[in-house]
Amino acid sequence: GQSLEQPSEVTAVEGAIVQINCTYQTSGFYGLSWYQQHDGGAPTFLSYNALDGLEETGRFSSFLSRSDSYGYLLLQELQMKDSASYFCAGAAGNKLTFGGGTRVLVKP
Amino acid sequence: DAEITQSPRHKITETGRQVTLACHQTWNHNNMFWYRQDLGHGLRLIHYSYGVHDTNKGEVSDGYSVSRSNTEDLPLTLESAASSQTSVYFCASSESRGRSEQYFGPGTRLTVT
Repeated sequence: GQSLEQPSEVTAVEGAIVQINCTYQTSGFYGLSWYQQHDGGAPTFLSYNALDGLEETGRFSSFLSRSDSYGYLLLQELQMKDSASYFCAGAAGNKLTFGGGTRVLVKP
Repeated sequence: DAEITQSPRHKITETGRQVTLACHQTWNHNNMFWYRQDLGHGLRLIHYSYGVHDTNKGEVSDGYSVSRSNTEDLPLTLESAASSQTSVYFCASSESRGRSEQYFGPGTRLTVT
């Protein structure tokens, strides 16, 4: 089976850097994804790590370490529009299992 | 532009009634998924399909059913609605088996009274 753990909430100010950690227990796991969801909206894809290491996409970066069963999403130069929930999701057995989500609150 | 739509967007029904939520995608994706989202539980997989006439149970499938008669649609049916099924339901699709990027519909908020 799979389970993914991430912090429930993080608060930071505009311009700061936030790291959202995700630890997982899974079998047959082959990748870690991150999704963003604004209040009242649908989840949208941010990134996918199939290999160990860092993937950078603009202000957002994602990291995976299979040996440590650990990944993180790094949000840089925080903006007010980054206030949202962020979900890690493990890909295994051809489907995704989502963590409980981390609510990020960006303050002026 | 390709998209994925859900209907209705909001639904109130009574306990014991049968309810069907529609999901339609124009991405021509083979894979389609249904999730429910409740506070504190993230997204949980209900059912999924990898193609026409293929359906599979997810982690919270009890009380739900799906059928896939074409590529575009995967309707979700609640056979006999229960208050525990009050939730926000999301449909998603993806391009190929195993690919991680899923495209989500706008969601249906279902209230069972």
